[in-house]
Amino acid sequence: AQSVTQLGSHVSVSEGALVLLRCNYSSSVPPYLFWYVQYPNQGLQLLLKYTTGATLVKGINGFEAEFKKSETSFHLTKPSAHMSDAAEYFCAVGLGYGQNFVFGPGTRLSVLP
Amino acid sequence: DTAVSQTPKYLVTQMGNDKSIKCEQNLGHDTMYWYKQDSKKFLKIMFSYNNKELIINETVPNRFSPKSPDKAHLNLHINSLELGDSAVYFCASSLRGPAGETQYFGPGTRLLVL
Repeated sequence: AQSVTQLGSHVSVSEGALVLLRCNYSSSVPPYLFWYVQYPNQGLQLLLKYTTGATLVKGINGFEAEFKKSETSFHLTKPSAHMSDAAEYFCAVGLGYGQNFVFGPGTRLSVLP
Repeated sequence: DTAVSQTPKYLVTQMGNDKSIKCEQNLGHDTMYWYKQDSKKFLKIMFSYNNKELIINETVPNRFSPKSPDKAHLNLHINSLELGDSAVYFCASSLRGPAGETQYFGPGTRLLVL
């Protein structure tokens, strides 16, 4: 069964600083990988996803992530944090049709002025 | 127009009661999901339906019963509510899936069992 770990339940950065949120997964087959963001009292919204092809994936709001198979990682980055980036970020793994879809435990990002 | 909508938004009820949460999507998607998010924000899939067929049925108490009258609707009925059922329940949909498909989430139903 697949699983997802996110290092750091809470990450704080200063406005304008680099954002790095870590995600590692375990899966017996090549997975589909996702990052979702959840703003307070809202549902989740997709930031970006990796299915096949280019391992560097660009998403909305200036975020990107790189799939590294050898490291079983899919870390999320943004060069310059903005106050509006403060939210909960979830990494997720999907396998094939009818297979489970697993979310990581989430990382809360705080952006300090 | 809201893509994925849930009703009610808030639900406060007593232990032992039976309640339902409704979900509708107007995206024309084939697949719908129910997730439970606990107080620590941990998000776990409960069920998934594709064209009214149950395709994911995770280990949840059988007090929880999903019903999909058509592919645009997926309702969740909960019998004999317990304190531990207090959580936020999210409905989501995807074109196909789950696999590599983007899921679109509703705003959530905040359930509090007293």
